[in-house]
Amino acid sequence: GNSVTQMEGPVTLSEEAFLTINCTYTATGYPSLFWYVQYPGEGLQLLLKATKADDKGSNKGFEATYRKETTSFHLEKGSVQVSDSAVYFCALGRDSNYQLIWGAGTKLIIKP
Amino acid sequence: ETGVTQSPTHLIKTRGQQVTLRCSSQSGHNTVSWYQQALGQGPQFIFQYYREEENGRGNFPPRFSGLQFPNYSSELNVNALELDDSALYLCASSPRTSGYPSTDTQYFGPGTRLTVL
Repeated sequence: GNSVTQMEGPVTLSEEAFLTINCTYTATGYPSLFWYVQYPGEGLQLLLKATKADDKGSNKGFEATYRKETTSFHLEKGSVQVSDSAVYFCALGRDSNYQLIWGAGTKLIIKP
Repeated sequence: ETGVTQSPTHLIKTRGQQVTLRCSSQSGHNTVSWYQQALGQGPQFIFQYYREEENGRGNFPPRFSGLQFPNYSSELNVNALELDDSALYLCASSPRTSGYPSTDTQYFGPGTRLTVL
């Protein structure tokens, strides 16, 4: 079946550090891949997405590349800020299956 | 443009009771999906509504039911509440311009926190 595995948190970094949050998936065919972010007290927001192999999604300095050969969609940012503190979710979706399948989330804490 | 809204924000019920949660979709969005998010976990898909009909369902029992209205707002009903139903319930809306289901960008509301005692 389809599934998503994320690295466990919390991940604690200092401001301006480099960020990587690992995400790997299991799926048949060619799913779309997403990163959503949940800030404290707020709803989920789409951060970026990629719909086919080798696509790179990017937004707000975050990037993730759809790697079919390693079934991965790791989230990266070159220099994190305190305001990036949130929970990050990796998800996959299939057009024929209309639902999103989610990882467990990774809490990110950025210290000044 | 108004985003996705949900009501109530918090709710406390006792085991065996019934609950109705409400969602107003973003303007122009005709598809609504409901998710259950237990503490410390990712959301689990409950079901999706498109044009007032259930369009797909996750692994949830029939006591979880829903409705979508002509204005595309939606309700989630849960009967015979159990302690494990305690969770954050998320509603997400998306535009669907063709007859084919899509997992295109979904816009989430802030959620309803349900506590079952």
